[in-house]
Amino acid sequence: QQQVKQSPQSLIVQKGGISIINCAYENTAFDYFPWYQQFPGKGPALLIAIRPDVSEKKEGRFTISFNKSAKQFSLHIMDSQPGDSATYFCAAKAAGNKLTFGGGTRVLVKP
Amino acid sequence: KAGVTQTPRYLIKTRGQQVTLSCSPISGHRSVSWYQQTPGQGLQFLFEYFSETQRNKGNFPGRFSGRQFSNSRSEMNVSTLELGDSALYLCASSTNQETQYFGPGTRLLVL
Repeated sequence: QQQVKQSPQSLIVQKGGISIINCAYENTAFDYFPWYQQFPGKGPALLIAIRPDVSEKKEGRFTISFNKSAKQFSLHIMDSQPGDSATYFCAAKAAGNKLTFGGGTRVLVKP
Repeated sequence: KAGVTQTPRYLIKTRGQQVTLSCSPISGHRSVSWYQQTPGQGLQFLFEYFSETQRNKGNFPGRFSGRQFSNSRSEMNVSTLELGDSALYLCASSTNQETQYFGPGTRLLVL
């Protein structure tokens, strides 16, 4: 059972554009929602994270929007740069350290 | 601080063999989690160790096991390797129950 669904699987955006990745979850016990960025040959690196008591969190060009009632959250990458080309994973965690990941979104930023 | 380190980085084994992977967490981190990453199944949680005790376990067969030492270093063992065990095995460490920092992974190829 896939508890975190991520879309789209891939997207192409022009330099300077906005990348939007969406995730939906089922388990209402989830209380921590991180986003990870992964480059080929590397491990995932934490980008930004949010708790459900906050509807939006911004760090630099990265913003998480969270809708608790809809059980959805999204990542917005503003002013996308070629260096942002990577695979992005949303994740969710209940008590403990078990992260449940979405399927990943491969982002390509064209110069 | 040095990041999470994993050894070896690459490994080739044949079916039926066993393998041991090692993970050294960030200094001061007592929680170590292991994940398997494959193109088909994505990132899946294997298990978590905290203070030498397994605290969480994912849905993997008993061929997958782990342990943690008093210095928080962790090892993961896979016995009777199958072709489907070919994957990137990632280790993540944490000092609390939120942010997890991933290592570069060990890429295992089973022939």
